[in-house]
Amino acid sequence: QSVLTQAPSASGTPGQRVTISCSGSTSNIGSSSVNWYQQLPGTAPKLLIYSNNQRPSGVPDRFSGSKSGTSASLAISGLQSEDEADYYCAAWDDSLNGHLFGTGTKVTVL
Amino acid sequence: QVHLVESGGGVVQPGRSLRLSCAASGFSFGYYGMHWVRQAPGKGLEWVAVIWSDGSTKYYADSVQGRFTISRDNSRDTLYLQMNNLRAEDTALYFCARDTLAMSGRDIDYWGRGTLITVSS
Repeated sequence: QSVLTQAPSASGTPGQRVTISCSGSTSNIGSSSVNWYQQLPGTAPKLLIYSNNQRPSGVPDRFSGSKSGTSASLAISGLQSEDEADYYCAAWDDSLNGHLFGTGTKVTVL
Repeated sequence: QVHLVESGGGVVQPGRSLRLSCAASGFSFGYYGMHWVRQAPGKGLEWVAVIWSDGSTKYYADSVQGRFTISRDNSRDTLYLQMNNLRAEDTALYFCARDTLAMSGRDIDYWGRGTLITVSS
C-alpha cells in the first residue's frame, strides 16, 4: 500500500475528545515511526507528534499519539476552536524508499 | 530559530523548466537532510524528494522521477529543486522542509512557507 489512509473528516464540540486514525502497511507504519502534522488554514504544516507519541516543545499535552502494528492514531482531548485544521500522518516507506503522507483529516469544531 | 524561505515559483508553460531555491538559516544546514514536499490546490501533502546532508543520496517520488532533480549547496545554505518537462499536475505549493537527521529521510520537523508553481498554457 503506497498510501497512508485517513478518514477525510472528524468533528467534535469544544471539550470533547477526537481521535484520528492512520492505516498503513508493514513497509511503512509497520517498520517506521509515525509523525503527525497540523496544518492550519493558509499556513505551512507544523510538527505535532514525532516518533509515534512524542510532543515537540510547545505542543499542548492535549495532543497524543500512539501506534500499533500497521496503524497509528492521533487523539485530541479537550478540543478547542483553534484545533480546527487539517491533520496528516507520515512515515517512511522502506519498499518505496520514500516518505509517505496520510490522505489528511479535516477536524471541525462544532 | 529554524528559517526556511522558498523562492522561484511562478507561472510556467507545460514542458518548460523551473528551478526552486530554499534559503536556510538558524541551524547548521550541512548537518541535515532536506526535503521538498508539495500540495496541489485544495489537496493533501505529497512528498517529492529528499537529499542527504552531504548530497550523496537522493530519493524521489515516482511521480517526479526522471524529471525533477534535488540538489544542495552547503556553502550557501541553499536547497534546490530543478523541475523539467513540467506538467499541469505539477501545479502546487512547494514546501522546503528539514529532516531531523543527516542521512535518514524518515522524519521532517521544520517547514518553509512554500512557493507556488502554476503550470498552464
